[in-house]
Amino acid sequence: GAGVSQSPSNKVTEKGKDVELRCDPISGHTALYWYRQSLGQGLEFLIYFQGNSAPDKSGLPSDRFSAERTGGSVSTLTIQRTQQEDSAVYLCASSLVGTRRRGEKLFFGSGTQLSVL
Amino acid sequence: ILNVEQSPQSLHVQEGDSTNFTCSFPSSNFYALHWYRWETAKSPEALFVMTLNGDEKKKGRISATLNTKEGYSYLYIKGSQPEDSATYLCASLSGSARQLTFGSGTQLTVLP
Repeated sequence: GAGVSQSPSNKVTEKGKDVELRCDPISGHTALYWYRQSLGQGLEFLIYFQGNSAPDKSGLPSDRFSAERTGGSVSTLTIQRTQQEDSAVYLCASSLVGTRRRGEKLFFGSGTQLSVL
Repeated sequence: ILNVEQSPQSLHVQEGDSTNFTCSFPSSNFYALHWYRWETAKSPEALFVMTLNGDEKKKGRISATLNTKEGYSYLYIKGSQPEDSATYLCASLSGSARQLTFGSGTQLTVLP
């Protein structure tokens, strides 16, 4: 596709349910990032994938959060036993090799608005 | 912990006004500074990536400057238009980090 695609665009779930959010990055981009924005907060880093390297999971807020990236392309972010504080916009971004290459920018999807009731 | 601060948090300007916002970041081990524009119901879009002290970038009516020694960047919009209404995010990359740290953004509303 032409850009980063995320699905669903909106997800309403009940507290305690599991949810899966999907990200399809730009073809050929080896770096993939998940961020989230809670109400009134800045973008919070969650997890970073780069090629075949072990992912950087340092931003995951709890062990209820996990993510995988299959075949170096599509990524799924899973939140188990959702809580109300998980309500946020979850953004996925990709880049060619990663922001450590000077001048490289991120390409974002339009996000998933998650609401936990 | 790397803190990126943006000010103001929000502002309203009249069409045709020029405006500017500030992004401050820790100056030690600086690597890169990004600016993104996030319009409602759309994806954040990169405006500029700056890496060198004194960098100045321009894209149409929008420009940005970078001072890595004192740890700040300014974003300027000349002759604001309603379509400039958006949240403007800055993000810093420093040290050996591989992911950007974002500020909380400046929400700009341009009134017709």
